[in-house]
Amino acid sequence: GAVVSQHPSWVICKSGTSVKIECRSLDFQATTMFWYRQFPKQSLMLMATSNEGSKATYEQGVEKDKFLINHASLTLSTLTVTSAHPEDSSFYICSACPIGGARETQYFGPGTRLLVL
Amino acid sequence: GDSVTQMEGPVTLSEEAFLTINCTYTATGYPSLFWYVQYPGEGLQLLLKATKADDKGSNKGFEATYRKETTSFHLEKGSVQVSDSAVYFCALSVKGAQKLVFGQGTRLTINP
Repeated sequence: GAVVSQHPSWVICKSGTSVKIECRSLDFQATTMFWYRQFPKQSLMLMATSNEGSKATYEQGVEKDKFLINHASLTLSTLTVTSAHPEDSSFYICSACPIGGARETQYFGPGTRLLVL
Repeated sequence: GDSVTQMEGPVTLSEEAFLTINCTYTATGYPSLFWYVQYPGEGLQLLLKATKADDKGSNKGFEATYRKETTSFHLEKGSVQVSDSAVYFCALSVKGAQKLVFGQGTRLTINP
């Protein structure tokens, strides 16, 4: 149980295009999901907290117009990288907190590797 | 701000060797501490956690003790197996918050 999927697992796109990444909780519902970014040999950096039915909360330094987050249902959050540039190339990871679970419980997706040419 | 520093990898050991991966933290208040493991091609999984000083988290033969005096949460295992090969992340969350702050991860490879 408690499986989180991400799609696509990796994507290559041209500079200037937009890329959408989906995060789904497959066997539980989640009012809160998190989006992280990981650079090679560095830690996961929290980008934003996605709340079902409301606006996402972005961490300091993360451009909300650049990284659009939508949490339209209790099992799906999407991250759209708009007008992607090579510096946006990274590994994006989501996590989801089950409704009724401990506040500190997060289940992670396998990540999406983005390469912008 | 809150931060986690963990031992740089990669770490390569032989099967049945003793493992230690160091982790120290800086935090305001009294954080909960975690170790996550990421096997190839999979998402991070919670390995163990400790929520207060002197607590010991354990799972699958791994242990870590919350040491407030040294602000550390080192991961140990007495006899590693090839199947333990993975990337290990130390993390903290400040009480009452859902946010996790991660260390940079340590890649562990166990050779038969």
